[in-house]
Amino acid sequence: EVQLVESGGGLVQPGRSLRLSCAASGFTFDDYAMHWVRQAPGKGLEWVSGISWNSGSIGYADSVKGRFTISRDNAKNSLYLQMNSLRAEDTALYYCAKDISNWNTGPPGAFDIWGQGTMVTVSS
Amino acid sequence: QSALTQPASVSGSPGQSITISCTGTSSDVGGYNYVSWYQQHPGKAPKLMIYDVSNRPSGVSNRFSGSKSGNTASLTISGLQAEDEADYYCSSYTSSSYVVFGGGTKLTVL
Repeated sequence: EVQLVESGGGLVQPGRSLRLSCAASGFTFDDYAMHWVRQAPGKGLEWVSGISWNSGSIGYADSVKGRFTISRDNAKNSLYLQMNSLRAEDTALYYCAKDISNWNTGPPGAFDIWGQGTMVTVSS
Repeated sequence: QSALTQPASVSGSPGQSITISCTGTSSDVGGYNYVSWYQQHPGKAPKLMIYDVSNRPSGVSNRFSGSKSGNTASLTISGLQAEDEADYYCSSYTSSSYVVFGGGTKLTVL
């Protein structure tokens, strides 16, 4: 079964850090680009960050650039998001999503597999 | 990067067709054929319905179709069914920041 399972969310104080993980199974992980997409409570989807199959291409939304770092470990079929200097506006459900592309043969942006998300709440 | 512009809500009766628009710029929707559409039911993860403007993933009903003209992409749902009631989001590749989503459209089946 094709599956993405996120973990690592929780309640954190402003200015602190959190690391999200996403475990992939059921497909050849290192064939595809991967992404983090978030959704604040009652709001729409926001792309956060993406990484190509071999980590050669990485991108961030302006809202998280310089604070968040995406990475992947193809040997462990895992995707990560290191979130530093967290702000109240980072409060959201964070989804891990698989791209249909590897980002080398085509641009990123179509996400065909999604996890169920992990909730991050930034509050004092 | 500003979000793509979608109507906040649309509605239709069972059996009818509806169209949801998604307006961007020449730096995203108008400049590339990399527009996707997602369906999201309450409390659920999004589901890819259309990619590369008009392609349907395996398993998605052919009642869903996509198109693009200039800086505006459109999702059309024909033969509207009760289970189509959901939020719909467009997204596009963008030269400035890779991926941008629309604000979302709530579809109500009357």
